[in-house]
Formats: sequence, C-alpha cells, structure tokens
Amino acid sequence: KAGVTQTPRYLIKTRGQQVTLSCSPISGHRSVSWYQQTPGQGLQFLFEYFSETQRNKGNFPGRFSGRQFSNSRSEMNVSTLELGDSALYLCASSLQGAGSGNTIYFGEGSWLTVV
Amino acid sequence: GQNIDQPTEMTATEGAIVQINCTYQTSGFNGLFWYQQHAGEAPTFLSYNVLDGLEEKGRFSSFLSRSKGYSYLLLKELQMKDSASYLCAVSGNNDMRFGAGTRLTVKP
Repeated sequence: KAGVTQTPRYLIKTRGQQVTLSCSPISGHRSVSWYQQTPGQGLQFLFEYFSETQRNKGNFPGRFSGRQFSNSRSEMNVSTLELGDSALYLCASSLQGAGSGNTIYFGEGSWLTVV
Repeated sequence: GQNIDQPTEMTATEGAIVQINCTYQTSGFNGLFWYQQHAGEAPTFLSYNVLDGLEEKGRFSSFLSRSKGYSYLLLKELQMKDSASYLCAVSGNNDMRFGAGTRLTVKP
C-alpha cells in the first residue's frame, strides 16, 4: 500500500511569488492535514480537509490556503511569499481525521526555500 | 486551545533507559500520540494512548494519565539509531497539535 506522497520535494522561490504544494494521501484515507515545520517553531498546524471541506484552520495568515479534491488529493498554496515562509511543509493523512484519535501518517514533506 | 510541553533536549547512554515527559492542556481529547523524527525526515508513528495506563511495544512504552494531563515515552536498551526528535501530540478538536519535540542524543 503506497504511503503519503508529496510533490515537489524541494523548491526555491523568490519573495513575492506564490507556490502550490501537492499531497496524495494513503488510499482510502479521507482526511488530509497540513503542517509547517521550522527549527524554531516545531510542527505548526495549518489546516485539515475532510471530504473536500476544510474542517479546521490553524493560526496562519490568509496567504496560506488549501483545497481537497474528490479523490482526496490535496493542495496547499502560499501567495506573496516571505522569507519566513521557508520551512518544511508536511502533509499527513488519516481515515477519519487528525482530531478523531486516528493515527496520522506523514509524507516526506516539501522543503521550501524563499530567497 | 491546546498547550503541549516537553523538554527540549535530553542525552542518554547506549544501552540505558530514558523517559521523555509530556504535559498537556486541551479542551478536547481523543488520544495522545508519540512520533519519532530523524533529522531531515518525516515523523513516524510510535505509540497511541487514549485510556490511562501503560502501552508497551517492544523497547518503547508510553504512559498516560488523563486526569493529570501527563504522558511519558520510555525507551529501553537505547541504541545509537534512537538519536532523534520525539514529538508528543494530542488529538482532539478537529486537529492534532504537536509539542515542540525533544531532541534525544544517544552517546556510546
């Protein structure tokens, strides 16, 4: 059974640009959560999608957005990139959702560098 | 909201036992998780507790006290490959929130 797949793995963007990251969950998982990880802040929750609906959102500005498709694949977008957005972006999938006591399984992440 | 605290760093010797503590405050609780994360890699699932008590899985055990908002991860017979960050996470309120992680260094 394939794990969580994230693309691209590495990318470099310039301040002011926008970026889209993609996540394919484990087959049969309907929930996708996104996290930002930086050395100083640890793993910070961005948002969770379940059956194409955003169920919860963390404390991030509106520049961070996401969506989920009918096949449970998810994308997140960051517009008007800032240097502080440089981070590892992790996607995690689960059967019924991260808040329901289900184990969440992480993808390998997308390393974003903003210059 | 949720507040999850764990020590920043710990050091232990190969073959020894180490206990990593985690305290939490949350308005919704559906379980406590421990994840292991090696440098440059994604977190991987280690253990899950939803009821009070000890869960044992090989060299790793995890304990939960819901009334005290407290958990610990116990690692026995430490190996060099156990050098990693250990993340405590609480599930509830439509999300899973993580502590900042404990960086464990195992020395020969």
